[in-house]
Amino acid sequence: EVQLLESGGGLVQPGGSLRVSCAASGFTFSSYVMAWVRQAPGKGLEWVSGISGSGGITFYADSVKGRFTISRDNSRNTLYLQMNSLRAEDTAVYYCAKDMVGTVPDYFDYWGQGTLVTVSS
Amino acid sequence: QSVLTQPPSASGTPGQRVTISCYGSRSNIGGHAVDWYQQLPGTAPKLLIYKNNQWPSGVPDRFSGSRSGTSASLVISGLQPEDEADYYCAAWDDRLNGPVFGGGTKLSVL
Repeated sequence: EVQLLESGGGLVQPGGSLRVSCAASGFTFSSYVMAWVRQAPGKGLEWVSGISGSGGITFYADSVKGRFTISRDNSRNTLYLQMNSLRAEDTAVYYCAKDMVGTVPDYFDYWGQGTLVTVSS
Repeated sequence: QSVLTQPPSASGTPGQRVTISCYGSRSNIGGHAVDWYQQLPGTAPKLLIYKNNQWPSGVPDRFSGSRSGTSASLVISGLQPEDEADYYCAAWDDRLNGPVFGGGTKLSVL
């Protein structure tokens, strides 16, 4: 059974940093593109970042480019999102998602339960 | 403002057929397949339709999708109370080099 379990969310001040993680199980982690998708309170879904199976290719939304870094540790079956220079508009539930198939983060067949990141003073 | 445009709400009664539309442009729906997600209240999104009209395992065929030009549609036939949820369309966007989502449609089953 595929499982994605996010952790690391919390309250952080504007300008601060936070790293969220996603522990994956039930599939060959290194074979799949992974992604982060966020949802601000009461709002819709917004794709944030994606990474190839090997970790060598990364993708970012314009809204986080230069501030967020996606990475993965295939030996630990874990996906990460390092978030720096956080802003109030980054407040959201961050979902880890597994791409169904392919080489780019386009559609996601499994999602974690999400971890809430709140940016506030 | 979302790159893909969906109506904010839709409704129907049990047994009815409901259609949710999604409008984009040449850089997304016009050149790429469309996917649909269902998000039940308080839960993570679930892939409902991929590649315009394909069903992931376990999704009933009451849900169907189509794409034409720069728009797409999700049709729910035989509406059931448990279909009450938010529905999102998505597609790859060449200009943004990533997937884009619609703003979501809140479906109410009256």
